[in-house]
Amino acid sequence: KAGVTQTPRYLIKTRGQQVTLSCSPISGHRSVSWYQQTPGQGLQFLFEYFSETQRNKGNFPGRFSGRQFSNSRSEMNVSTLELGDSALYLCASSVDAQSSEAFFGQGTRLTVV
Amino acid sequence: GIQVEQSPPDLILQEGANSTLRCNFSDSVNNLQWFHQNPWGQLINLFYIPSGTKQNGRLSATTVATERYSLLYISSSQTTDSGVYFCAVENNAGNMLTFGGGTRLMVKP
Repeated sequence: KAGVTQTPRYLIKTRGQQVTLSCSPISGHRSVSWYQQTPGQGLQFLFEYFSETQRNKGNFPGRFSGRQFSNSRSEMNVSTLELGDSALYLCASSVDAQSSEAFFGQGTRLTVV
Repeated sequence: GIQVEQSPPDLILQEGANSTLRCNFSDSVNNLQWFHQNPWGQLINLFYIPSGTKQNGRLSATTVATERYSLLYISSSQTTDSGVYFCAVENNAGNMLTFGGGTRLMVKP
């Protein structure tokens, strides 16, 4: 069974640009969550989707958005990139609507210059 | 929101030694997981353990939900055990995890 797949693995963008990251969950999993990891703030929750609906959102500005498709694949978008958005972005998938084990992808490392 | 604290923040061991990592949380939880982050950044699942005790080879974990802490035991440590260990909890009936700050483990040969 394939794991969680995130693309691309690495990305370099210029300040002010926008970026879209993709996450394909484990087959049969319907919940997808996104996290940002930085040296200063650690691992922080961005948002969670279940059945194409955003159920939870972390404390991030509106420049961070996401969506989930009918096949459970998810994308997150960051507009008007800032240097501080440089981070490792991790996606997790879970099978059920609540309190189920999360499995993480390899992450997308975003560098904003 | 719920607070998660891990200790110690850093740990250096000689190969073969045993260690205990601790995770304290401030509220009741529905889910608790332990992860090992590999050098490439991926979080590897170690245990899904909202309560009770589990063992997997040289690793074991215990969560005492009523006292709001979890312990990860590593026995006969190997250099490949090096890396950062994270505890993460969920308590809001969704799949939103709150992570601790991690324990950075270095095992020396």
